[in-house]
Amino acid sequence: DAGVTQSPTHLIKTRGQQVTLRCSPKSGHDTVSWYQQALGQGPQFIFQYYEEEERQRGNFPDRFSGHQFPNYSSELNVNALLLGDSALYLCASSPWTADNYGYTFGSGTRLTVV
Amino acid sequence: LAKTTQPISMDSYEGQEVNITCSHNNIATNDYITWYQQFPSQGPRFIIQGYKTKVTNEVASLFIPADRKSSTLSLPRVSLSDTAVYYCLVGDTGRRALTFGSGTRLQVQP
Repeated sequence: DAGVTQSPTHLIKTRGQQVTLRCSPKSGHDTVSWYQQALGQGPQFIFQYYEEEERQRGNFPDRFSGHQFPNYSSELNVNALLLGDSALYLCASSPWTADNYGYTFGSGTRLTVV
Repeated sequence: LAKTTQPISMDSYEGQEVNITCSHNNIATNDYITWYQQFPSQGPRFIIQGYKTKVTNEVASLFIPADRKSSTLSLPRVSLSDTAVYYCLVGDTGRRALTFGSGTRLQVQP
């Protein structure tokens, strides 16, 4: 049973560019959330998708956008990259209908902006 | 969401029991307490979750006193592979966004 799969694992981009990160949720999970984790910090919530709609959003600018596809996979897009966007981007999945259920995280995409 | 406070770091030796305490004075009636473990360059991994009293699984035990204002994660007989950051989270349902603090960095020495 595959867990959460993220791609790519590492990425280097130039300031001002745009980037797309991808996530496939764990089998049986229909809800995908994205988190940003700066070095030495805990993950910070970006947004959550269910039924192809953004359900919750954290305190991130509009440069951060996302999408969920009918097969529950998801993309995170970041426009106009800043040096401060360098971080580990984590995708987490869970079943929408389950209460108090532990999220399953992927291993993340390490984004470096130069 | 209830704010949590936990030690920044802890040191232990292989074979010892490690207890990490988390304070959550403003926990709400519907809130559950969940602990995650994170290794470097990996995503957090769900360890254990509880509401009150004691919960035990194959990895850890979670002790929650009657007032629920704190909780203690207990790792029996730690090994070097338990070196990681441990996060205590408090929230009401699995649908809600998780709020991570800075966690507790556990270093296990041989």
